[in-house]
Amino acid sequence: KAGVTQTPRYLIKTRGQQVTLSCSPISGHRSVSWYQQTPGQGLQFLFEYFSETQRNKGNFPGRFSGRQFSNSRSEMNVSTLELGDSALYLCASSSAGAINSPLHFGNGTRLTVT
Amino acid sequence: GQQLNQSPQSMFIQEGEDVSMNCTSSSIFNTWLWYKQDPGEGPVLLIALYKAGELTSNGRLTAQFGITRKDSFLNISASIPSDVGIYFCAGVEYGNKLDFGAGTILRVKS
Repeated sequence: KAGVTQTPRYLIKTRGQQVTLSCSPISGHRSVSWYQQTPGQGLQFLFEYFSETQRNKGNFPGRFSGRQFSNSRSEMNVSTLELGDSALYLCASSSAGAINSPLHFGNGTRLTVT
Repeated sequence: GQQLNQSPQSMFIQEGEDVSMNCTSSSIFNTWLWYKQDPGEGPVLLIALYKAGELTSNGRLTAQFGITRKDSFLNISASIPSDVGIYFCAGVEYGNKLDFGAGTILRVKS
């Protein structure tokens, strides 16, 4: 079974721009979660989608948004980029609708904002 | 915000040593998960625990779900160089989302 695929792996943007990150979950997984990872803050939960609906949301500003398509693929968008948005963005999928289904992570998209 | 306290923050290992790390929470959790992250990769699930008192092994790794439901432990026996990396605990409070600890960085003693 193919794992979680995130594209692109690396991205460099300038302040004020917007960016879209993509995630393809493991086949059959309907839940997709997004996390921001920085050295100082660890893994911070952004949001979770299940069957195209946002089910949970973390404490991030409205500049961070996401969506999920009917094939379970998900995208995350960050508008009006700030220097502090530089981070590794991780996507994770899980099989069932239960909140405690183990997450399977992709290798992330490394975003650098200059 | 983060409810989990993971310790130690970092530690040095010598090949062959046993390693222990733990996570505590202020809330009761119904699930504990342990992940390992290698440089340039996403976290990989090592062990999942679903019942208080549960003790589960995965090769040289053993994890336990504390009986108070507020803590979990991960032990690595006879460590080898490829054990270096960042270990994360993660827990789920009833009806809530998954929270991650800040991670324990395992390094090799030179």
